[in-house]
Amino acid sequence: QQQVKQSPQSLIVQKGGISIINCAYENTAFDYFPWYQQFPGKGPALLIAIRPDVSEKKEGRFTISFNKSAKQFSLHIMDSQPGDSATYFCAAGTSGNTPLVFGKGTRLSVIA
Amino acid sequence: ETGVTQTPRHLVMGMTNKKSLKCEQHLGHNAMYWYKQSAKKPLELMFVYSLEERVENNSVPSRFSPECPNSSHLFLHLHTLQPEDSALYLCASSRNTGTQLFGSGTRLTVV
Repeated sequence: QQQVKQSPQSLIVQKGGISIINCAYENTAFDYFPWYQQFPGKGPALLIAIRPDVSEKKEGRFTISFNKSAKQFSLHIMDSQPGDSATYFCAAGTSGNTPLVFGKGTRLSVIA
Repeated sequence: ETGVTQTPRHLVMGMTNKKSLKCEQHLGHNAMYWYKQSAKKPLELMFVYSLEERVENNSVPSRFSPECPNSSHLFLHLHTLQPEDSALYLCASSRNTGTQLFGSGTRLTVV
């Protein structure tokens, strides 16, 4: 019940296209859903996050869509660029100092 | 930079050596974490400290020994490691709400 299932494991997208990464969870106590972006040799960096009181959050080219009833959330990267090539992790957590539960990551490659 | 600083960035050690990894944050966070990242397990939580007390230890071998002397510093003491312990070791910190900020990691190679 603590798992966060992330798909796909890897993704290749043409420059200018839309990258979509999906995550699903079981624990209905989760109330915080961040996405992290990690470049080789670096630690994961917080990209964007959402709480279940909204169904969508947009920051620039990055959008989180959240479906509470389906217990799913997804990251959309619009106008994908080669510089977006990285590994993306979804995560879920609860209020308080309980550790986030991370998905297994998606390696995105944006090709010209 | 996230404000979470890890040293050293790279470490090569023999199986009989003793070394320590250091993590430091001055963000006012009250929880700190150690993760292991390898090709087999992308983000594997090792230890959690909340208000300087260890609150989680995910069945980590005793050759890894964490220490949290205060809310700003976290160490991972290493001794008699195995080659399979070679990985990127990440430190993170947070304040209550679960937003974890990560350091850049220490790339550890055990020879």
